[in-house]
Amino acid sequence: DVKVTQSSRYLVKRTGEKVFLECVQDMDHENMFWYRQDPGLGLRLIYFSYDVKMKEKGDIPEGYSVSREKKERFSLILESASTNQTSMYLCASSLEWINTGELFFGEGSRLTVL
Amino acid sequence: GQNIDQPTEMTATEGAIVQINCTYQTSGFNGLFWYQQHAGEAPTFLSYNVLDGLEEKGRFSSFLSRSKGYSYLLLKELQMKDSASYLCAVRDWANRDDKIIFGKGTRLHILP
Repeated sequence: DVKVTQSSRYLVKRTGEKVFLECVQDMDHENMFWYRQDPGLGLRLIYFSYDVKMKEKGDIPEGYSVSREKKERFSLILESASTNQTSMYLCASSLEWINTGELFFGEGSRLTVL
Repeated sequence: GQNIDQPTEMTATEGAIVQINCTYQTSGFNGLFWYQQHAGEAPTFLSYNVLDGLEEKGRFSSFLSRSKGYSYLLLKELQMKDSASYLCAVRDWANRDDKIIFGKGTRLHILP
């Protein structure tokens, strides 16, 4: 079974802090994604990556950056956390686009910024 | 731009059939997914349609009409465990980026 693991299920941070959200997948997937999920807004794509050291902006990249130094790991970074970044963050991975591109999700990281 | 619409909430009775509709507008359509998400859990894959027509998988079926920008998810013989949110997502090839964009989800309530 594909396993996507997010490092923290729950985090509480203060405004202005730097926040790292880590995601690791164990199926050698090329593609990895970060979404945030908010009530009434659904899942929104922040950043995605097709390969090591590659990154592409999603629909709401402002205030975020990402790092993909190894194929299995995709990190989301909040350089200076703000209260409007309080949300559920979901990491996902998928195989090459020659397949259906089905996303496998981690359990999510619920971030609260005070 | 992209736009995906689905109803916010629906209610159905155990044992019945329910159809959840999704309409979409994208610049480079390349397939449509349905995901199920139980409260507090991650979304899980249900179906993928890239060609017009109906795909059946047990109690769940998904239909796609590319010319109409329309899909539906059909759930038969509803069970209490089907109470969840159902997410319509479109694979969109635009500006040489291939990404998956989600609708806001439909929360389905099953009554005994």
